Amino acid sequence: DAGITQSPRHKVTETGTPVTLRCHQTENHRYMYWYRQDPGHGLRLIHYSYGVKDTDKGEVSDGYSVSRSKTEDFLLTLESATSSQTSVYFCAISRDLYYEQYFGPGTRLTVT
Amino acid sequence: QKEVEQNSGPLSVPEGAIASLNCTYSDRGSQSFFWYRQYSGKSPELIMSIYSNGDKEDGRFTAQLNKASQYVSLLIRDSQPSDSATYLCAVNMKEYGNKLVFGAGTILRVKS
Repeated sequence: DAGITQSPRHKVTETGTPVTLRCHQTENHRYMYWYRQDPGHGLRLIHYSYGVKDTDKGEVSDGYSVSRSKTEDFLLTLESATSSQTSVYFCAISRDLYYEQYFGPGTRLTVT
Repeated sequence: QKEVEQNSGPLSVPEGAIASLNCTYSDRGSQSFFWYRQYSGKSPELIMSIYSNGDKEDGRFTAQLNKASQYVSLLIRDSQPSDSATYLCAVNMKEYGNKLVFGAGTILRVKS
């Protein structure tokens, strides 16, 4: 998985609780991304980062926040989890916007 | 409207045959095009990238790009049962800030 790890790999949480997912890379790539993948919707971008402390929204950013304090780490936080956020979350990295993205192994999140 | 369209399939081919997967996109200004393979329960894996018109070959895989007609295709020669997966087309879309937009994927089944 191109030096990308995600933690946790599986999580079950209750509605209303905060959840933080972590993505860690060892490739020193500038760009990092968070996607969610749901049946019928494919991969959709939540947020992305183009450098330390530089982040921007994707198409499904409502209810999510991100932070990047180090090049290698990109955190995704669900402030108050809802059942609609049950999904598989993938982190990806790339050298630049136009270049290939490489994906981490994913986190399966279930909100009950 | 950013769109990357793929036939959802399933596309069934016999072992040893050529599998042809197609993708069309809406943004004429797109510059980068990628094919990912995703096995069930796994993360997307990059198999081909193509940036200019024409064909690009890598082993049993050939990517074909036609910017004038706004389509990109993937040919898999000598298909094997291990090629059975979902294939995702992804396009960097200028109208979406050059971010990657994914198609919903085509399910490929190779029958032995």
